[in-house]
Amino acid sequence: EAGVAQSPRYKIIEKRQSVAFWCNPISGHATLYWYQQILGQGPKLLIQFQNNGVVDDSQLPKDRFSAERLKGVDSTLKIQPAKLEDSAVYLCASSLVDRALYYEQYFGPGTRLTVT
Amino acid sequence: GNSVTQMEGPVTLSEEAFLTINCTYTATGYPSLFWYVQYPGEGLQLLLKATKADDKGSNKGFEATYRKETTSFHLEKGSVQVSDSAVYFCALSLVTQGGSEKLVFGKGTKLTVNP
Repeated sequence: EAGVAQSPRYKIIEKRQSVAFWCNPISGHATLYWYQQILGQGPKLLIQFQNNGVVDDSQLPKDRFSAERLKGVDSTLKIQPAKLEDSAVYLCASSLVDRALYYEQYFGPGTRLTVT
Repeated sequence: GNSVTQMEGPVTLSEEAFLTINCTYTATGYPSLFWYVQYPGEGLQLLLKATKADDKGSNKGFEATYRKETTSFHLEKGSVQVSDSAVYFCALSLVTQGGSEKLVFGKGTKLTVNP
């Protein structure tokens, strides 16, 4: 079974530029998550989708971050404009469902973003 | 709020040594508890989990027991190997008001095992 795919793996941009990350979850996984992992910290949930609807985006900085999941499969996360403090690894994860019984979240390898 | 506090790293051990990585949590309600592992260059993987008090999660020789009275979920392994070198994350999961399930992670503990 193929895992969660993410691209690009690395990205370097200047502040105030824009950037987009792509995620392809495991086939059949209805729930998709984007996390931000700053160096030395644990992952922090940015947004959670159930199929193509947003379930939780309470920690997404909506003035500069946006995300979409068209057709309930692939997802993109965009930052515009980027700030220095956005330098982090952006992780995508997927799971079968997120209700009542916990289903394991499967993580992709992440995209390492450096903002200079 | 809901949070997870992990033992500060890094931790360096010799092969076959005993490992403990401490984890305590603060949560409203009754969370499920997890240990995730991140090997160099790879994504996070679930190592083990426990969904209620006194449950013991185990996998690959690692164990952790959900202790409600001390709000702890310490990770242990009796004899570590070089291949266990990785970053270990403790996490809790809660169902939010909106009905979704949310993972809250600790900061991670880097383990290096020397031959």
